[in-house]
Amino acid sequence: GDSVTQMEGPVTLSEEAFLTINCTYTATGYPSLFWYVQYPGEGLQLLLKATKADDKGSNKGFEATYRKETTSFHLEKGSVQVSDSAVYFCALKDNAGKSTFGDGTTLTVKP
Amino acid sequence: SQTIHQWPATLVQPVGSPLSLECTVEGTSNPNLYWYRQAAGRGLQLLFYSVGIGQISSEVPQNLSASRPQDRQFILSSKKLLLSDSGFYLCAWRSGLRETQYFGPGTRLLVL
Repeated sequence: GDSVTQMEGPVTLSEEAFLTINCTYTATGYPSLFWYVQYPGEGLQLLLKATKADDKGSNKGFEATYRKETTSFHLEKGSVQVSDSAVYFCALKDNAGKSTFGDGTTLTVKP
Repeated sequence: SQTIHQWPATLVQPVGSPLSLECTVEGTSNPNLYWYRQAAGRGLQLLFYSVGIGQISSEVPQNLSASRPQDRQFILSSKKLLLSDSGFYLCAWRSGLRETQYFGPGTRLLVL
């Protein structure tokens, strides 16, 4: 079946540092890929998405590129802020509409 | 615009007690609805999904059940809670199988 593997956390960075959270997937066909963010005590919010190979999703300074050749969708941000502290989930949706989520990566940004 | 509501936000229940969590969606018709559970420090586990009124599919056998009495209402229930039912329960919806999934604010359940 489909699976999503995320870089294990927790990740702790200083403000303005560069962020990378790795995500790789296994799936048949051509899934859509997503990054969700979960702030403390809240539900998941869609951060960005990409629906086909080589697409780049971007939002709030975060970016991720759909790499079919490496089956990856790594999340990056050039300069993190304290307010970016949250849990980040990588997810895929297959052609049948079934979603699979990674285990989440906790990011803490210190001032 | 579409919104999704869940309540209660937090719930503390004794072992063996019943459970009813409610999720409603506004601003859309015939959504696909989902219940997930997120255990502490873990990812999301799909529990149930529904593509229409009265249509429920279960992903994981357990002592929980789900019902969809109205188009935009999705209820998660249990007759007798177990300690292992503790977790963060998230309701989600999407307008079609090809669309993005959107999540509610979640219900934190603690079974003691």
